[in-house]
Amino acid sequence: GAGVSQSPSNKVTEKGKDVELRCDPISGHTALYWYRQSLGQGLEFLIYFQGNSAPDKSGLPSDRFSAERTGGSVSTLTIQRTQQEDSAVYLCASSAGPGDEQYFGPGTRLTVT
Amino acid sequence: EDQVTQSPEALRLQEGESSSLNCSYTVSGLRGLFWYRQDPGKGPEFLFTLYSAGEEKEKERLKATLTKKESFLHITAPKPEDSATYLCAVYTGANSKLTFGKGITLSVRP
Repeated sequence: GAGVSQSPSNKVTEKGKDVELRCDPISGHTALYWYRQSLGQGLEFLIYFQGNSAPDKSGLPSDRFSAERTGGSVSTLTIQRTQQEDSAVYLCASSAGPGDEQYFGPGTRLTVT
Repeated sequence: EDQVTQSPEALRLQEGESSSLNCSYTVSGLRGLFWYRQDPGKGPEFLFTLYSAGEEKEKERLKATLTKKESFLHITAPKPEDSATYLCAVYTGANSKLTFGKGITLSVRP
């Protein structure tokens, strides 16, 4: 079956611009997660959705970051006024439920120039 | 705060040379430990979940074990295609997130 998909695969943007990253989870998975992976760093948790609600936004690094999930499926991560330190690979994962194994998408590589 | 430490950071093996990767953790109430494999330019690929000390799981040349303080990923007679970064992560139920270690980059020479 289809896995987690993300788009775009690569995004280059100028400092100060807004970007939107999209995630399509595995069909039927109620839990959706966003992580960030920077060079030499581990995966950093950003936000978790259960259905359409986000009970945990604790990992969002600043108020420039926001995310939403609609219809219990697709999720969008938005970064406003991008900064160079936002450059990283943004990974989305989904699981059947909280605590189940998470399946990751291929990621979006964001470069802020 | 949950902490996960993986060692060594990098490991180079000759094809057929068995070894083990270590994942040490400090958490309050482990509910699951996960191993993933990540190839360059790709997302992590799920390998195993371990839930309690003493549990073991195997898949091809890989075997994962769990104690109360650490987990090992044993690689038996590795092949070049086993070259990848191996990540471990812990789940405690708090906030439903996984806390990841920084990974171990394994290189297997033919």
